Amino acid sequence: GAVVSQHPSWVICKSGTSVKIECRSLDFQATTMFWYRQFPKQSLMLMATSNEGSKATYEQGVEKDKFLINHASLTLSTLTVTSAHPEDSSFYICSARLQGGTEAFFGQGTRLTVV
Amino acid sequence: GDSVTQMEGPVTLSEEAFLTINCTYTATGYPSLFWYVQYPGEGLQLLLKATKADDKGSNKGFEATYRKETTSFHLEKGSVQVSDSAVYFCALSSSGGYQKVTFGTGTKLQVIP
Repeated sequence: GAVVSQHPSWVICKSGTSVKIECRSLDFQATTMFWYRQFPKQSLMLMATSNEGSKATYEQGVEKDKFLINHASLTLSTLTVTSAHPEDSSFYICSARLQGGTEAFFGQGTRLTVV
Repeated sequence: GDSVTQMEGPVTLSEEAFLTINCTYTATGYPSLFWYVQYPGEGLQLLLKATKADDKGSNKGFEATYRKETTSFHLEKGSVQVSDSAVYFCALSSSGGYQKVTFGTGTKLQVIP
């Protein structure tokens, strides 16, 4: 099946700094990628839909200025958490869909800890 | 809007026991239904899917049948193994583009030897 690689798998940063998370589709082109956030013992919440070459579509309640998404190519989307705070600590997961397909392929996730 | 409700965990079973994790959904139109599995510290992997009513998805001994009349997609396995210990998410993707996936809250399964 299609492979989605996410990097880094974990990161610890100081409060006030920014962190960039990369999501790559390794063996297919993804015009659309999705970013999710997972709180401990909770389900995945869709944060935004990333569209190659255009602005991301954010879900209600997600701060677009805080969670910057860039989908510069058909194989790469990045999520930057700006001015991170401890409450941003979470597990972030990206997914990508084959064009015309029904199945979403997920990256391995990034554990962000803000101290 | 779309929603998925699945049974709360954790579920603890002995090896070789029968597993059922209930999942019901609310959606407009004719969604596709999925079960994803998340092993500790990892991302999600698709376990199985069904795209229309009465379809049965199956993989690695797990099965789930798309029941439109009861809006359910219960996950079953006849004999669980320790290696099946993980969190299982029921999910749906609405018809008309398959853009967004809505997840249930997840059910943690622990299988003990």
